[in-house]
Amino acid sequence: GEDVEQSLFLSVREGDSSVINCTYTDSSSTYLYWYKQEPGAGLQLLTYIFSNMDMKQDQRLTVLLNKKDKHLSLRIADTQTGDSAIYFCAESNYGQNFVFGPGTRLSVLP
Amino acid sequence: DVKVTQSSRYLVKRTGEKVFLECVQDMDHENMFWYRQDPGLGLRLIYFSYDVKMKEKGDIPEGYSVSREKKERFSLILESASTNQTSMYLCASRLAGGTDTQYFGPGTRLTVL
Repeated sequence: GEDVEQSLFLSVREGDSSVINCTYTDSSSTYLYWYKQEPGAGLQLLTYIFSNMDMKQDQRLTVLLNKKDKHLSLRIADTQTGDSAIYFCAESNYGQNFVFGPGTRLSVLP
Repeated sequence: DVKVTQSSRYLVKRTGEKVFLECVQDMDHENMFWYRQDPGLGLRLIYFSYDVKMKEKGDIPEGYSVSREKKERFSLILESASTNQTSMYLCASRLAGGTDTQYFGPGTRLTVL
């Protein structure tokens, strides 16, 4: 079946950029998503990218998609302590059959 | 603004008890989902429902059942809770037929003793 992989942990210093990486196996994926989960809360959609795009920027967030390598990344510029959370990569085929990665726990050090 | 609510944030039950987890959404979404979240495993789909009275098994349905009698409400049932069902349970909903994302509830952390 489809699979989504992420590294489980990432630590960065406050003010630095964070890059969270994700790989997926389903070549028919049409949408790729990044969700943020703060402690004790559900998942909140941060951003998404359609599979025919290479890049999407939204304020401090930049999403890069390499469809050939099935690689997705989320860059957070000027990382703040409030960005500490678990970040989930997910893919779907036209909104059906969502598959989530295991989540990357981002720790922001002062 | 989409709102998905879950009946409890924290729940403690004993082995063998019947457990009901309730999820309600207020956006008239057709599709609703139940996931469990475990460290290092991400979200795993238990059951989903395309519409009222419809249900489909997800990746890990064993030990669970669901009920969707009304469009806004999707219930997850543990017929006889076991310790390996201790987990965070997340409900989500989305509009059918489009490319819309899923909207998640805050989660219920269930501990089975």
